[in-house]
Amino acid sequence: TAGITQAPTSQILAAGRSMTLRCTQDMRHNAMYWYRQDLGLGLRLIHYSNTAGTTGKGEVPDGYSVSRANTDDFPLTLASAVPSQTSVYFCASSDSGGAGANVLTFGAGSRLTVL
Amino acid sequence: GQNIDQPTEMTATEGAIVQINCTYQTSGFNGLFWYQQHAGEAPTFLSYNVLDGLEEKGRFSSFLSRSKGYSYLLLKELQMKDSASYLCAVRDSNYQLIWGAGTKLIIKP
Repeated sequence: TAGITQAPTSQILAAGRSMTLRCTQDMRHNAMYWYRQDLGLGLRLIHYSNTAGTTGKGEVPDGYSVSRANTDDFPLTLASAVPSQTSVYFCASSDSGGAGANVLTFGAGSRLTVL
Repeated sequence: GQNIDQPTEMTATEGAIVQINCTYQTSGFNGLFWYQQHAGEAPTFLSYNVLDGLEEKGRFSSFLSRSKGYSYLLLKELQMKDSASYLCAVRDSNYQLIWGAGTKLIIKP
């Protein structure tokens, strides 16, 4: 089934450890995004990439980094996790970014708990 | 600042009609989206409005008034499977999506 695959589904992480959330899409979408979703808040954009080889900062980028070496993969790295990064993380993609951005397709999410 | 307001929770009866409102204050406007999110799952696209008026898609309709900064999602003939959160999102002048916190819709038999 075409779509977005995220891994891991859930993870418990000790504060100070590093972690990479993986995201792979097979729809050949140009644009990819990482959001976090916290209770009572709207989805907040962490980082995005309008095309392979480029990335940009979203609303809440601090403590996170991304790379976009190819069209399909968009990993999110937490270099030194803190408890405030406990959240559900969603990867998403769209066929283009910027002015041509259309409907987002989301992955199933990764639930991260930092203790 | 930019703001999207939706009711936190609504309750409706199976077979009835419910209207979920969304008001927004954003830096520019380049379209409004509604997504559905079942508990523990990913959001999925429902509708898109960029011009004023009503867009109908089966049991779901979405309305937009740009002058009032207002939209609503109308769900008809409610089914138990419609129990979910409904997310309103506005694309601003930079083509970034600003998301509301979502409305949790509870359907009772």
